[in-house]
Amino acid sequence: LAKTTQPISMDSYEGQEVNITCSHNNIATNDYITWYQQFPSQGPRFIIQGYKTKVTNEVASLFIPADRKSSTLSLPRVSLSDTAVYYCLVGDTPQGGKLIFGQGTELSVKP
Amino acid sequence: GAGVSQTPSNKVTEKGKYVELRCDPISGHTALYWYRQSLGQGPEFLIYFQGTGAADDSGLPNDRFFAVRPEGSVSTLKIQRTERGDSAVYLCASSSWTVSSYNEQFFGPGTRLTVL
Repeated sequence: LAKTTQPISMDSYEGQEVNITCSHNNIATNDYITWYQQFPSQGPRFIIQGYKTKVTNEVASLFIPADRKSSTLSLPRVSLSDTAVYYCLVGDTPQGGKLIFGQGTELSVKP
Repeated sequence: GAGVSQTPSNKVTEKGKYVELRCDPISGHTALYWYRQSLGQGPEFLIYFQGTGAADDSGLPNDRFFAVRPEGSVSTLKIQRTERGDSAVYLCASSSWTVSSYNEQFFGPGTRLTVL
């Protein structure tokens, strides 16, 4: 399985755009990139998934360069409620299956 | 609609005791997963059911851990002879399973297990 590397923590202020980059140098051709969000005392929650280029939904955007060795989760205009841990996952089952979590990025949004 | 529920929310037990943790998935979800999460770490996969059968139990740490899903709905994670190292939050997730789209996993709030 491709190993992922993310910053351990990030700080931001309300209203800013936050970009969290994940490195996955050994990503395989069949691998998809998925991001989950976890609030304190809750289970993780799916945010977005992509294979290449750009994917956007109502919550976030995911940018994937052509070589797919990294990806960037972009959160527009964050609020205090976006304070959470964000996990980047890489796996070869587009439909799902077991999730392999790393340590994640702890995002702290300040007023 | 109702999400994934887990009971109990907290469980304190003594070393060597037996515990059962219950998961009620979202109605109609055929896939059910168990993970455990230690403080400051991401969730760690334990076992995955598709219907009544365990499709992948490669994450169970040893034979003290066992899980069942006899009717393809509720699942129970069973831990025998608990050890202090078993202390963690045990998370359950469920998902539908369609070939044509991503089947996101919906997680419950977890059961916090403390072994004294």
